[in-house]
Amino acid sequence: DGGITQSPKYLFRKEGQNVTLSCEQNLNHDAMYWYRQDPGQGLRLIYYSQIVNDFQKGDIAEGYSVSREKKESFPLTVTSAQKNPTAFYLCASSNNEKLFFGSGTQLSVL
Amino acid sequence: DQQVKQNSPSLSVQEGRISILNCDYTNSMFDYFLWYKKYPAEGPTFLISISSIKDKNEDGRFTVFLNKSAKHLSLHIVPSQPGDSAVYFCAAIPRNQFYFGTGTSLTVIP
Repeated sequence: DGGITQSPKYLFRKEGQNVTLSCEQNLNHDAMYWYRQDPGQGLRLIYYSQIVNDFQKGDIAEGYSVSREKKESFPLTVTSAQKNPTAFYLCASSNNEKLFFGSGTQLSVL
Repeated sequence: DQQVKQNSPSLSVQEGRISILNCDYTNSMFDYFLWYKKYPAEGPTFLISISSIKDKNEDGRFTVFLNKSAKHLSLHIVPSQPGDSAVYFCAAIPRNQFYFGTGTSLTVIP
């Protein structure tokens, strides 16, 4: 089935640790996005990529990094510089008309 | 500054009645709008969209209305069903970026 796969579903981070969230799509979409959702808040854009080997910062990029080496993959690294990483992270891809979302990763701090 | 706003964080409606969810935007250049539905711990799923060349789009029980002069759109669900209970996000797309509102949590009471 075509879609977006995020893994893991749940992730725990220790103090000072970097963690990487995986996002893979087989929809052949050029554009991919990472959003963060906090309780009672909307979806805030972290990073997006319109094409392979290129990406731009969103509204809350500090403390995060991404790469886009392949069209299918857009991993997000939450670095130790991100002081409040506990949130629900959503990856999405776009066909320029709408966004298709993965099922999300819940990141918590130990 | 929030470019897409949903001023009602929550809404409760009796089963069988109409649910009306509202969304306001600030940028008159926005020309394409979408509604997404989200269950807890899942990714949002696309519901319905509308282009600025229209003022109404209908899909089954869901209708979206767009008032460009007021920079306002609304989603009507008729009749509301318990399975419609979820968080609803409106979004605007200018130039391949997606701006989301903060969401409205709809509860349909059986």
